[in-house]
Amino acid sequence: AQKVTQAQTEISVVEKEDVTLDCVYETRDTTYYLFWYKQPPSGELVFLIRRNSFDEQNEISGRYSWNFQKSTSSFNFTITASQVVDSAVYFCALSEGYGGATNKLIFGTGTLLAVQP
Amino acid sequence: DGGITQSPKYLFRKEGQNVTLSCEQNLNHDAMYWYRQDPGQGLRLIYYSQIVNDFQKGDIAEGYSVSREKKESFPLTVTSAQKNPTAFYLCASTRSGRGIQYFGAGTRLSVL
Repeated sequence: AQKVTQAQTEISVVEKEDVTLDCVYETRDTTYYLFWYKQPPSGELVFLIRRNSFDEQNEISGRYSWNFQKSTSSFNFTITASQVVDSAVYFCALSEGYGGATNKLIFGTGTLLAVQP
Repeated sequence: DGGITQSPKYLFRKEGQNVTLSCEQNLNHDAMYWYRQDPGQGLRLIYYSQIVNDFQKGDIAEGYSVSREKKESFPLTVTSAQKNPTAFYLCASTRSGRGIQYFGAGTRLSVL
């Protein structure tokens, strides 16, 4: 069965701290996509990154970095030098078969990140 | 500006009433999706449509209905059969079955 687990329900940090959001997934497929989305208080989900199952290279984009490890079925997200504007709910999601017929996304329950000034 | 527009932002439903949530996109995307978000439960797929005049049930379709008469529009009706409609509803679209899903700003539905 497909499943995405975000064990951290809420994280609170002080500005400029680094923070890592954990994501563990389960799938029987050998080809799949993993995603991270950000949901600020306004409610809209903002796409951050998509990674396919054959690409285990870590990725860095500004203060954001992602660590994909197939051996542990994890796709963790690190924010370096956090800022108040990073406060949001972050969702990890899985799409099997490179999208396949449905491109259905399986979401984790999200992690609420609060960055205090 | 290209994007996905959901309306209204807030909606209230009376007992026994059907209500319709609007989702319009001008991104020329083929596929569109409706998700429901409840606190602490992430997003769950209600319905999706990959082409005009065709749609499929997602994981929690009971009590909901959709139509896809135009490529740009995918309205969701919450029927009186949906006994617990209070939630945040998000619409998404993607260019193809392998595309990234982009989301609208959502509609928050409450029961009076």
